[in-house]
Amino acid sequence: QVQLQESGPGLVKPSQNLSLICTVSGGSIDKSGYYWSWIRQLPGKGLEWIGYSHNTGSTYYNPSLKSRVTISVDTSKNQFSLKLTSVTAADTAQYFCASYKWIRGPYFDNWGQGTLVAVSS
Amino acid sequence: DIQMTQSPSSLSASVGDRVTITCRASQDIRNDLGWYQLKPGKAPKRLIYSASNLQSGVPSRFSGSGSGTEFTLTISSLQPDDFATYYCLQHNLYPRFTFGGGTKVEIK
Repeated sequence: QVQLQESGPGLVKPSQNLSLICTVSGGSIDKSGYYWSWIRQLPGKGLEWIGYSHNTGSTYYNPSLKSRVTISVDTSKNQFSLKLTSVTAADTAQYFCASYKWIRGPYFDNWGQGTLVAVSS
Repeated sequence: DIQMTQSPSSLSASVGDRVTITCRASQDIRNDLGWYQLKPGKAPKRLIYSASNLQSGVPSRFSGSGSGTEFTLTISSLQPDDFATYYCLQHNLYPRFTFGGGTKVEIK
């Protein structure tokens, strides 16, 4: 059973960079056809799609965050990561990592528990 | 950007109740919409794909309808295992997904 687990700092200062890691256990991150993605939930709001890294090497980022986001996969560590630069209080959110395949639409089959990140001085 | 407005944000219901959740899209998304059930610590479960198709293995008490801008998820007879948070997810402009705001279904 594949499981995803987010890790990273719970508190980041404004203007600094946020880095989160998602560790994949119970299976290989090098699986064909999978999209390794990040999603966040702003306080009191719904889910916001951040983007993905596909095992072909392609990436896609939400245009609203594109200039500040990098998602990368480290197959040697069976992890993928999120880097968000120059954070502000508006980036305070619960961050989730998730994986999906394209099967008649996005088929999410794994989702981490989420990690809460606060941006504050 | 396509906005998805989901309602209600939460509801209290009893076992056996019929429950309806709605998502409205800010523009025509054809039938490019799925419904997901999320529970803490568990893998997400896609209930419905392409607006009205029941995912294999999902109980028939779940159904989806709609196209264009208005979509509905119905649970015909709520069961104890159904208490969870439900999200709609549109993929009309894939890979630019948009989620609905979520509906938390709680026990009355």
